[in-house]
Amino acid sequence: AQKITQTQPGMFVQEKEAVTLDCTYDTSDPSYGLFWYKQPSSGEMIFLIYQGSYDQQNATEGRYSLNFQKARKSANLVISASQLGDSAMYFCAMRKTGKLIFGQGTTLQVKP
Amino acid sequence: DVKVTQSSRYLVKRTGEKVFLECVQDMDHENMFWYRQDPGLGLRLIYFSYDVKMKEKGDIPEGYSVSREKKERFSLILESASTNQTSMYLCASSLAGGRGHTEAFFGQGTRLTVV
Repeated sequence: AQKITQTQPGMFVQEKEAVTLDCTYDTSDPSYGLFWYKQPSSGEMIFLIYQGSYDQQNATEGRYSLNFQKARKSANLVISASQLGDSAMYFCAMRKTGKLIFGQGTTLQVKP
Repeated sequence: DVKVTQSSRYLVKRTGEKVFLECVQDMDHENMFWYRQDPGLGLRLIYFSYDVKMKEKGDIPEGYSVSREKKERFSLILESASTNQTSMYLCASSLAGGRGHTEAFFGQGTRLTVV
């Protein structure tokens, strides 16, 4: 069965520092996609970054990068130069054959 | 802009009532999803549809059913609402896999309270 695990319920980071949010996944299928979403206190779900299982390079989108370690089945999100507006819940997700499943989420708080 | 619209932002229903949550998307997406979000549990997939009249059970389908008669509309039905179905419900849609960027787009959520 597919599974996504986020082991950090809450994280703190100082403004302007980098932070890594952990995500591990479990699938036996060679073809899958990995996503990160941000959910601020307003509740909307904001797509951040995508990594395909066959992609050779780690995905990057502005201050977001995905540290993809296929053999370890991990897809950690790295946020560089944290901003106060990065305070939110972050979800890792995996898509396989259309179905999209999510982890438990990590709450990130950025301190001024 | 992709738009996923859920019919209600807040709902209060009585135990035993039949409840319909409606979701409409305007981007001709093949896939549609229903999740519930509870603190500490993340988003849990209830049902998924990959085409009109086609559906698959997610991780927690018990007590729920779905309907997809038209491509743009995906309904979640609580046959007999119970207090443990009090939750935030999120609808999402996406292109089918293999057709480019396939991230899911979400509605604003429906906060359902069953009393």
